[in-house]
Amino acid sequence: DIVMTQSPDSLAVSLGERATINCKSSQSVLPSSNNQNYLAWFQQKPGQPPKLLIYWASTREFGVPDRFSGSGSGTDFTLTISSLQAEDVAVYYCQQYYSTPYTFGQGTKLEIK
Amino acid sequence: EVQVVESGGGLVPPGGSLRLSCVVSGFTFSNYAMSWVRQAPGKGLEWVSSIFGGGKATDYADSVKGRFTISRDNSKNTLYLQMSSLRAEDTAVYYCARNEGANDGRIPEYWGQGTLVTVSS
Repeated sequence: DIVMTQSPDSLAVSLGERATINCKSSQSVLPSSNNQNYLAWFQQKPGQPPKLLIYWASTREFGVPDRFSGSGSGTDFTLTISSLQAEDVAVYYCQQYYSTPYTFGQGTKLEIK
Repeated sequence: EVQVVESGGGLVPPGGSLRLSCVVSGFTFSNYAMSWVRQAPGKGLEWVSSIFGGGKATDYADSVKGRFTISRDNSKNTLYLQMSSLRAEDTAVYYCARNEGANDGRIPEYWGQGTLVTVSS
């Protein structure tokens, strides 16, 4: 199974500042057959289901604000929120969908400093 | 508008069975793969199972393989998860999700609100 490890486990950032969450996979999620990283990011607010933010490592889902961006390739990935808003307080998860089981990271809790 | 609504959760004793249902609307159900993802209380997300649009191809997490069965009735716009030999560690909110893209999409894109399954005597 591919193990997904996020860092940090929790993060406190001031409003308007940049937030960066890292995700590392135990093996590459970039197949040699194409140029797509099989990596997604989800946001989960308290009491709500997860929401898809980014897929193929860097493609924003329709309607997701452009302050959210994804980067990385192979085994190392980053979710960046360029200017933190109050509504961004949530737990963020990465997930690989390269091979089953489609594993998630343990989550990163983002709070306001 | 895509809608995904789960039902069927509840309290069940260890070793018992339960069937979850997920009714969808707002899209052509048979064209999309679907997934079940669960979340134990206060814990992270765990992918459970997925099924392609045609219903022939399925896959399971090792933790549920042989105990859970995913299926779909495209005529009723309904996804199912038959759970048997339930254990305490199966206690979780179970989310149904429509995957992105076409028949074999892998990414859960639209999620329901979830249904809570509690396994306890």
